[in-house]
Formats: sequence, C-alpha cells, structure tokens
Amino acid sequence: QKEVEQNSGPLSVPEGAIASLNCTYSDRVSQSFFWYRQYSGKSPELIMSIYSNGDKEDGRFTAQLNKASQYVSLLIRDSQPSDSATYLCAVDAGGYNKLIFGAGTRLAVHP
Amino acid sequence: DTGVSQNPRHKITKRGQNVTFRCDPISEHNRLYWYRQTLGQGPEFLTYFQNEAQLEKSRLLSDRFSAERPKGSFSTLEIQRTEQGDSAMYLCASSSDRVDYGYTFGSGTRLTVV
Repeated sequence: QKEVEQNSGPLSVPEGAIASLNCTYSDRVSQSFFWYRQYSGKSPELIMSIYSNGDKEDGRFTAQLNKASQYVSLLIRDSQPSDSATYLCAVDAGGYNKLIFGAGTRLAVHP
Repeated sequence: DTGVSQNPRHKITKRGQNVTFRCDPISEHNRLYWYRQTLGQGPEFLTYFQNEAQLEKSRLLSDRFSAERPKGSFSTLEIQRTEQGDSAMYLCASSSDRVDYGYTFGSGTRLTVV
C-alpha cells in the first residue's frame, strides 16, 4: 500500500514567520513530488513541484526533497493570513500514472 | 482555455437515485483523472483515462460507479443506487502525457446523499 503521510495540524504561525510543512512517503520508486494548496470548499491548486534532491525556491515558497529519507517539505517564508489553507503533499505512484495524496496539513496564519 | 470544468457544482440526491457528473478537461491534456475527497482527507484516486481508454480503476470504485470518456474529450462519472457514504466532493483533474508535470483540478462536484 503506497502511502503519503502528513501531520494534520493545525499548524499555527504568526504573520511574517516561516511555516514548515512536512511529508513522508512510502514508495521508493516515486520520482515526482508536489505541493497543492486547498482553501476551504475549493479544489486543490498546484503551488510547487520538485523532482531532484535538494531545495527548489519559487517566491516565498521553498520545497525540499530528500529521497534517501523519503521526505519532502515545504517552507513558506513571510507567512500571510492569505496562506491559511490546507496543504496537500502528492507523490507519483510510480510509472507516471497517478498521484497519491496525503491527508493534508491545515495551516493557520494569525495576524 | 478556461481550465478544467465540472458540472454540476452541487448535487443533492435521495438515497437510491442515480447521479451523473461531467468533466471537461483542458483541451490539450490527454490524461483525465477522477478523485473523491471527504472532509479532512486528501483526494483519493478513483480512475484515470488516457484519451478514451480507461487504464486504471481503484478498488474503491465499486460496481455502482462507472466512468466514460467517449472520443477522449469530456468524461462522465455515474453513481448508481447512491448511498449516504457516497457523499463527498468528486474532483476531476487533467494532465499532459507526463503526470510528473502535475495535475490541474476542476472546481469539483459536491454530492450530498440524503
């Protein structure tokens, strides 16, 4: 059973702080990793993808991947109240056929 | 292209009735996926199509569920004899040939079975 695990939260951070979201996955053959943001009542929106070990930065977002530890994380710098949402980690199931999603971490950024 | 379109946005039905949802993917995407999401959970894979071929179905997809993608364009998901446990958000997503480029999701259809 291929699994993607996330801490459900809520993760509460003050405005301006760094939010750190973590994800572990079970399938060693996975090659592609994604972070989606989902506002309450809305559908998931892709915010970051990462394929190689190390860091990938895009604006205030940094994705980090460690395939040896089967661990992927998302850092959000200068967190804003508008970042308050559920963040879903998704991992390809091998063979590029589909993505497996974690249950998501709820982030709350308070002023 | 305005993205992935799903209809209806909301559906309330009585237990035992049949329902059908429609998804129009991004036109240049040949892969189409259906997922189901319940409160507090991530999206769960149901099925996927490459063009008109249904290449994978989850064991979550009981024989009451059927999906089609005629001509490789829009797709429909039908649930027969709905049960209260079918209440969920049904999400459609599309992607190019390589899912490692990620999905684009539609707005979803929220089904409530009463």
